Amino acid sequence: NAGVTQTPKFQVLKTGQSMTLQCAQDMNHEYMSWYRQDPGMGLRLIHYSVGAGITDQGEVPNGYNVSRSTTEDFPLRLLSAAPSQTSVYFCASSNLAGEGGEQYFGPGTRLTVT
Amino acid sequence: AQTVTQSQPEMSVQEAETVTLSCTYDTSESNYYLFWYKQPPSRQMILVIRQEAYKQQNATENRFSVNFQKAAKSFSLKISDSQLGDTAMYFCAFHGGSNYKLTFGKGTLLTVNP
Repeated sequence: NAGVTQTPKFQVLKTGQSMTLQCAQDMNHEYMSWYRQDPGMGLRLIHYSVGAGITDQGEVPNGYNVSRSTTEDFPLRLLSAAPSQTSVYFCASSNLAGEGGEQYFGPGTRLTVT
Repeated sequence: AQTVTQSQPEMSVQEAETVTLSCTYDTSESNYYLFWYKQPPSRQMILVIRQEAYKQQNATENRFSVNFQKAAKSFSLKISDSQLGDTAMYFCAFHGGSNYKLTFGKGTLLTVNP
């Protein structure tokens, strides 16, 4: 199993550009989520999904869109990048999220918006 | 809303010694789960230990153990026989049983010195 994969690992965008961060898992997990990590802030939940076709907002959803058309994939879209979105982004998945199951994290994407 | 507080932004310990990282949380949930995640310089998030709130026995994983004080809403991590490879950022995280969201503290940067 590859676990949770994320692409790209690094990305530089100009203000106003759009892009999609990719996330895929091969563990047949129903639950997937996106976090951003900023210095001194820990990880904050952006969006999450409890299954294909079902998504919901987390703590910091503004400026981001998600969709879940398959169990395996959960892309995160930045509609119009802003410098405040400079961060490290993590995707995670779990098969027992509703029962406190372990969340498995991808390697992260470091995004810089200039 | 749940909150997780890690009051020690940075700590250091000598190799082979014992160190305790603090975590407190606030919740009105009766059923929940608590986690400690480790993030080494590689950036990968790694689950260290997990505690179910309804279990009175403290969780242990080899050199890692927790002191779970439910009434005080405290969940500290003890690392025994510290090793250089334990150098990492450590995050305390809370998961309320009624939803899927994982709330993180801001982290404690632990340095193990030779």
